[in-house]
Amino acid sequence: EVQLVESGGGLVQPGRSLKLSCAASGFTFSNYYMAWVRQAPTKGLEWVASITNSGGSTYYRDSVKGRFTISRDNAKSTLYLQMDSLRSEDTATYYCTRIKKYYSGLDYWGQGVMVTVSS
Amino acid sequence: DIQMTQSPSSISVSLGDRFTITCRASQDIGNYLSWYQQKPEKSPKLMIYRATNLEDGVPSRFSGSRSGSDYSLTINSLESEDTGIYFCLQHKQYPWTFGGGTKLELK
Repeated sequence: EVQLVESGGGLVQPGRSLKLSCAASGFTFSNYYMAWVRQAPTKGLEWVASITNSGGSTYYRDSVKGRFTISRDNAKSTLYLQMDSLRSEDTATYYCTRIKKYYSGLDYWGQGVMVTVSS
Repeated sequence: DIQMTQSPSSISVSLGDRFTITCRASQDIGNYLSWYQQKPEKSPKLMIYRATNLEDGVPSRFSGSRSGSDYSLTINSLESEDTGIYFCLQHKQYPWTFGGGTKLELK
């Protein structure tokens, strides 16, 4: 059974950093591209970042470029999102997702982890 | 960025009715579009991928179609478990963009 389990969320002050982790199991992690998607309270979904299976290529939305870093450790089957210089508008539930083969969609989602940026 | 305009934003539907949600893409996205269902306090669930393909385990009353730049999700014979919020996602070009969502409620 495919499982994605996020951790690392919490309350953080503006300008500070936080690192999210996503432990993957039930599939060969190194074969799949992965992505982070977020959802602000009572709002819609927003793609944040993606990474290829090798980690060789990464993609970010403009609003997080230069502040967030997506990475992975295939030996540990773990996806990360390092979030620096956090802003109040980054407050959201962050989902770890698996990208279905051939860019066909997001076929598995974690349970989500809440990040609150507030003083 | 590619804009995905989703309609309607909300609707009340009766059990057994047929219902269609549409996303219009501002640029060509080929068939790089997927549909998701989200229940309250739950993670989204993939329903349709590559515009017309039913994800494993999704009931056959769900279907996806495309007409030009309009992509549609249709639910035939609505059941109570189909309530929730539905989103489309284009994954043709970064940044990937979601539609604004459609809240489906029972009448």
